[in-house]
Amino acid sequence: NAGVTQTPKFQVLKTGQSMTLQCAQDMNHEYMSWYRQDPGMGLRLIHYSVGAGITDQGEVPNGYNVSRSTTEDFPLRLLSAAPSQTSVYFCASSSVAGPRDTQYFGPGTRLTVL
Amino acid sequence: GQQVMQIPQYQHVQEGEDFTTYCNSSTTLSNIQWYKQRPGGHPVFLIQLVKSGEVKKQKRLTFQFGEAKKNSSLHITATQTTDVGTYFCAGFETDSWGKLQFGAGTQVVVTP
Repeated sequence: NAGVTQTPKFQVLKTGQSMTLQCAQDMNHEYMSWYRQDPGMGLRLIHYSVGAGITDQGEVPNGYNVSRSTTEDFPLRLLSAAPSQTSVYFCASSSVAGPRDTQYFGPGTRLTVL
Repeated sequence: GQQVMQIPQYQHVQEGEDFTTYCNSSTTLSNIQWYKQRPGGHPVFLIQLVKSGEVKKQKRLTFQFGEAKKNSSLHITATQTTDVGTYFCAGFETDSWGKLQFGAGTQVVVTP
């Protein structure tokens, strides 16, 4: 099993550009989530999904969109990138128990917005 | 809303010493999880505590969940250079089931 994979590993965007961060898991996990990590602020929840077709907002959802058309994939879209979105983004997945179960994290995407 | 706070933010330890990092929530938590992130890596699950007053051990690491389920601690004995990294606690309120909230983490540096 590859576990949780994320692409790309690194990305540089200009302000106003859009892009999609990809996340996929091969563990048949129902619960998937996106976090951003900034120095001194830990991991902040952006959006999460409890299954295909179901998504909800986390702590810091503004500027980000998600969809969950399959169990395996949970892409994160930045519609109009801003410098404040410079961060490291982690995708995570777990079983149907969601936050009651182990979160498996991907390797992360380091995003810089100029 | 729920706030999860960790102290200290930074811990400098001599190899062989013990240290403790603390996690405090403004509300009662359904569970508490601990993760470790090595420099340049991603968070890796260490343990989960569910019951009030629960204590679990993993070799030199001891995890405790407070009686009121509002705080937790991680104690490491005889610190080794392999303990370097950032330790995060995470939990959620019963009424906010889907939202696992992380603390800011304790960054641990070990001096040989």
